[in-house]
Amino acid sequence: GDSVTQMEGPVTLSEEAFLTINCTYTATGYPSLFWYVQYPGEGLQLLLKATKADDKGSNKGFEATYRKETTSFHLEKGSVQVSDSAVYFCALSDGNSGYALNFGKGTSLLVT
Amino acid sequence: ETGVTQSPTHLIKTRGQQVTLRCSSQSGHNTVSWYQQALGQGPQFIFQYYREEENGRGNFPPRFSGLQFPNYSSELNVNALELDDSALYLCASTGGGRTDTQYFGPGTRLTVL
Repeated sequence: GDSVTQMEGPVTLSEEAFLTINCTYTATGYPSLFWYVQYPGEGLQLLLKATKADDKGSNKGFEATYRKETTSFHLEKGSVQVSDSAVYFCALSDGNSGYALNFGKGTSLLVT
Repeated sequence: ETGVTQSPTHLIKTRGQQVTLRCSSQSGHNTVSWYQQALGQGPQFIFQYYREEENGRGNFPPRFSGLQFPNYSSELNVNALELDDSALYLCASTGGGRTDTQYFGPGTRLTVL
């Protein structure tokens, strides 16, 4: 079945460092890909998405490119801030079960 | 435009009891999904409702059931609570369509003792 694999955290970075959080997926067909962020004590917020191969999603300085050849959707940011500290979830939706989201386990980021 | 709201915020129940969680969809959205997020894990899909009909279901037992009302608000019911049901329950709404984004509420934290 479909699955999403994220790099394990926690990831600890200094302010202004470069961030990469790896995400790879397994799916039949052509899923849409998402990054969601969860701040402490809160629900999930959509960070960015991409719906087809080679699409780049971007928001708030974060970027991710849908790479079909490597089945990846890595999250990057050039210069992180303390306020970026949160848990980041990679997810896919492939049209099964009513277009439900299939999430990875999440990667915790701490910026100091 | 109002966002997705959920109630209650927190809930404590005893094993074997039943619980009902509620969700109000974002204005204009006709599809609602429910997820269970155990501590330290990613959310797991429970089921989805579209125009009051179940539109998909994840790997959860029948004691997890739901309803969607004509105003597109929704309920999640869990019978015969087990300790492992302790989790954050998230509701998400969308206007429908393959690429539409799901907008999440803040969740209900359920603790089963």
